[in-house]
Order: sequence, then C-alpha cells, then structure tokens
Amino acid sequence: GAVVSQHPSRVICKSGTSVKIECRSLDFQATTMFWYRQFPKQSLMLMATSNEGSKATYEQGVEKDKFLINHASLTLSTLTVTSAHPEDSSFYICSASQGGNQPQHFGDGTRLSIL
Amino acid sequence: AQSVTQLDSHVSVSEGTPVLLRCNYSSSYSPSLFWYVQHPNKGLQLLLKYTSAATLVKGINGFEAEFKKSETSFHLTKPSAHMSDAAEYFCVVSETYMEDEYGNKLVFGAGTILRVKS
Repeated sequence: GAVVSQHPSRVICKSGTSVKIECRSLDFQATTMFWYRQFPKQSLMLMATSNEGSKATYEQGVEKDKFLINHASLTLSTLTVTSAHPEDSSFYICSASQGGNQPQHFGDGTRLSIL
Repeated sequence: AQSVTQLDSHVSVSEGTPVLLRCNYSSSYSPSLFWYVQHPNKGLQLLLKYTSAATLVKGINGFEAEFKKSETSFHLTKPSAHMSDAAEYFCVVSETYMEDEYGNKLVFGAGTILRVKS
C-alpha cells in the first residue's frame, strides 16, 4: 500500500517552455502533498506544501509564480515549472501524506533537463 | 528549529559485515525521526520511523535504529550488509506545523552514501 506515482520520470525540453509534473496517490487519500527539489549530490529541499483545496505554502526563496502548484483532489497534485530555464534543471520529487503523524510516501521523482 | 546531522557523507563496508550510519538531531521537543533510502534516480523509500514508542525501531530489509535521547542520536544499523543495500540514506526529523492538521514537515540530513564491496 501507500503508492505514490509521479509522472513523467524524465523531461528534456527547450528553454522557455513550461513543464507540468503530476503526483498521484494511488491507494490512499493524500490530505497533504509536498514538493521537493534535489540538486546533484545534495539532500532534498522542500519547495512547497500543498493541501487539497487550498493554496500551496511555499518555502522561503521559492518563487510561487515560477513553480505553480495545484492540489485539486485528494489524489492529485501538479507542479508546473513556468518558462523553464537551464538553472531549473534538477530532480523534483513529490510526496504524499494522509496528514497528522502519518509518514510521507515518495514518488520516484522527475528528472528535468532544460536545454 | 529542528536540524539533522549525518556524520558521514560516505560509508564503505564489505558484504556480510555490519552497517552503521550515524545521525544526530536537534529538537526543541520530542521529535519524530525517520530513515529513508534512495536508490539512484529514484524517490525515497521509508525504512523505519520513531514516534515516541519503543526506542529500538525495527524497519524493513533488516535495518534498525535506536533513539537515544541523552545522546540526541538515531543511528541506523544492520548486522550484515548486502550488495542491494548500496544506496543513499537520509536521516529525517519531523517538524510539526500548522497545528498538526496538515501533516508534518520533514527536515532532511545531508545524506550518507553507502557502498558495499563484494
């Protein structure tokens, strides 16, 4: 149980395009979803926290207009990287939780490469 | 604020020998602590978690960790390493926010890369 599916697993696109990443909880309802960014050989850095039906809460230094997050249902959250540039290239990972003290379950990540 | 320090960035062991990955935390109150494993280009898999119950926590794949409040440590161990254990391991502390309603925010350590030699 507690499977989180993240799609796509890899994206390569030109600078200036927008990229949407989906995060789905397959067998549980996720009250909260989290979006992380991981640079090579570094740890995960939380970008934002997404609660179903409300606006996402962004961490300091993360541009909310650059990284649009939508959590329209209890099983789906999306992260859209708008007008992506090479410096946005990174490994993006989502996680989902049923809230409270329930653990976060992670997707397999999306490798984003902007040319 | 809570923080996590993983004392070794790389650990190398021989197959069949014990594994010790060290983690120290700082917290203003009783924390929840986790160990996650990440294989290359993959997401994170929960190995085990401590949430103020038994101080010795058993996880998947033969791993266990002991919460020691006096030492503010939560080291991860395994009696006998297997080749498939080679991965990166993250020690994580949970930071309560938003009155617990929306779940806990995780603070990650820098990670320890475990190499297993045949």
